[in-house]
Amino acid sequence: EPEVTQTPSHQVTQMGQEVILRCVPISNHLYFYWYRQILGQKVEFLVSFYNNEISEKSEIFDDQFSVERPDGSNFTLKIRSTKLEDSAMYFCASSLNRDTASKETQYFGPGTRLLVL
Amino acid sequence: DAKTTQPNSMESNEEEPVHLPCNHSTISGTDYIHWYRQLPSQGPEYVIHGLTSNVNNRMASLAIAEDRKSSTLILHRATLRDAAVYYCILRDLIQGAQKLVFGQGTRLTINP
Repeated sequence: EPEVTQTPSHQVTQMGQEVILRCVPISNHLYFYWYRQILGQKVEFLVSFYNNEISEKSEIFDDQFSVERPDGSNFTLKIRSTKLEDSAMYFCASSLNRDTASKETQYFGPGTRLLVL
Repeated sequence: DAKTTQPNSMESNEEEPVHLPCNHSTISGTDYIHWYRQLPSQGPEYVIHGLTSNVNNRMASLAIAEDRKSSTLILHRATLRDAAVYYCILRDLIQGAQKLVFGQGTRLTINP
């Protein structure tokens, strides 16, 4: 069964450093998402991406964050200057399209655990 | 997104049925009811969704009240692998692809 993959599984970085989290969505999917989950808290939406542009973003997704689909397979989340509070599990998700409820199912990757020291 | 209310936690025994309730009294006519679950140390996983009629798939059943103000996710024969946090989420799909808004969900514990 096709699945969303994410790399790395764990990342440790120093405050102020840039990090890039990588995701490979399911190949025929068109919509891409990033979510994050701070330890012990809810899963929070960050951004959605369609047709090479951001379709929606949350208040969390400030100027320090950016997303990119550099080629036909990868979808990346960049944090330019990490802060301690960026420590969280980051999940990538993808969905096929929005035509019907069934195709709107989002498939999540296993996550990248980011620790900012 | 319309709000849902779920119990913080539930406990059941292996091989017994589990009924996970969700209240959504402010649901609109175009809101679909989706359920996702998050196994320990994993990303969320789609379970089932429905609009008005009860739904069954290989993972679970979804029973929707006639007035749609509540629903119940039914795991017919729970296994240890079903221990997870279960999220009930309303999604207005008339508006197209949208973010999932997760609440705290119900943490389901399965006893051997």
